Amino acid sequence: DAGVTQSPTHLIKTRGQQVTLRCSPKSGHDTVSWYQQALGQGPQFIFQYYEEEERQRGNFPDRFSGHQFPNYSSELNVNALLLGDSALYLCASSRQGWGTEAFFGQGTRLTVV
Amino acid sequence: AQKVTQAQTEISVVEKEDVTLDCVYETRDTTYYLFWYKQPPSGELVFLIRRNSFDEQNEISGRYSWNFQKSTSSFNFTITASQVVDSAVYFCALSEVYSAGGTSYGKLTFGQGTILTVHP
Repeated sequence: DAGVTQSPTHLIKTRGQQVTLRCSPKSGHDTVSWYQQALGQGPQFIFQYYEEEERQRGNFPDRFSGHQFPNYSSELNVNALLLGDSALYLCASSRQGWGTEAFFGQGTRLTVV
Repeated sequence: AQKVTQAQTEISVVEKEDVTLDCVYETRDTTYYLFWYKQPPSGELVFLIRRNSFDEQNEISGRYSWNFQKSTSSFNFTITASQVVDSAVYFCALSEVYSAGGTSYGKLTFGQGTILTVHP
């Protein structure tokens, strides 16, 4: 049983560009959350998707947007990249509900130059 | 707003020593979940334990044990007889409930993490 898979693993983009990160949840999971982890920091919640809708959003600007597909996979899009967007982006999947265990992917390391 | 504080930035021990990682949290809710995750160099967060706010029983799982005390808002994690493979970054996290349209959701608020290095 494959766990949470993310692609790509590493990415280098230029300031001002746009990027799309992808996530496939663990089998049986219907909820996907995205987190940003800056170097030396704990992950910060970006947003959560369930039934193809954004259900919760953290304190991130509208440059960060997402999508969930009918097969529960998800994309994170970031527009107008800033140097400060350089981070490890983690996707977590879970079964819908509060307090359920979240399984994390290995993340996408985004570097903005 | 919820907050998680892991005051220990880095801990270094020698193999077979016991080590305790501290976690203090803040929340206005009476119902919440607490978690510990381990992050090895590969980057993936590995789930270790989940505890809800109504269950203050301590838990032991092999060399791992957890001490949850609501009175001090702490959820500490102890590794007994540490091993080199325990070297990683450990995160404590808090999840409060958010309800909308009859459905409940949770998001994780993480602490800054504690870097644990176990030397042979």
